[in-house]
Amino acid sequence: KAGVTQTPRYLIKTRGQQVTLSCSPISGHRSVSWYQQTPGQGLQFLFEYFSETQRNKGNFPGRFSGRQFSNSRSEMNVSTLELGDSALYLCASSLWSRDPSYEQYFGPGTRLTVT
Amino acid sequence: AQTVTQSQPEMSVQEAETVTLSCTYDTSESDYYLFWYKQPPSRQMILVIRQEAYKQQNATENRFSVNFQKAAKSFSLKISDSQLGDAAMYFCAYRALSSDSNYQLIWGAGTKLIIKP
Repeated sequence: KAGVTQTPRYLIKTRGQQVTLSCSPISGHRSVSWYQQTPGQGLQFLFEYFSETQRNKGNFPGRFSGRQFSNSRSEMNVSTLELGDSALYLCASSLWSRDPSYEQYFGPGTRLTVT
Repeated sequence: AQTVTQSQPEMSVQEAETVTLSCTYDTSESDYYLFWYKQPPSRQMILVIRQEAYKQQNATENRFSVNFQKAAKSFSLKISDSQLGDAAMYFCAYRALSSDSNYQLIWGAGTKLIIKP
């Protein structure tokens, strides 16, 4: 079974631009979560989608948004990029978001650099 | 609010030796799940081991085992017979079982494990 895939793997953008990152979960998984990982802040939760609905949201400004499609693929968008948005963005999928024991399966991440 | 603390930013161990990574958490919940995830350099994060709080027995997965002390709110990871492939960032995570929490994972800051050949 194919793992979680994220595209693109690397991205360089300029301040003020916007960016869209994509995540394809493992086949059959309906829950997708997004995280921002930086050396200083560690792993920070952005949001979670389940069956096309946002179920959880972290403490990030409105410039960060996401969506999930009917095939469970998810995108996240960051508008008006700031230097501090440079980070590794991780996507994780899971089978069912309401079983607390569930394991999250992570993608390789998208490395975003804002200059 | 729940928090997870990993007080060791970096640990090193000689190959074939045993190392213990620390994790403490704060919660008022009585039942919850705890996880250890591993993130090797430039590779995907994977689950190492999980523990449900109401189970007294410590979880084990091959060379990986935990020491779960519920009263002390401590959840340490022991890696026996360390191998070069164990070199990675290790993250401790907590998830409450209450629906109020929306089952969101709370993450520690991570511990970088270095294996010396």
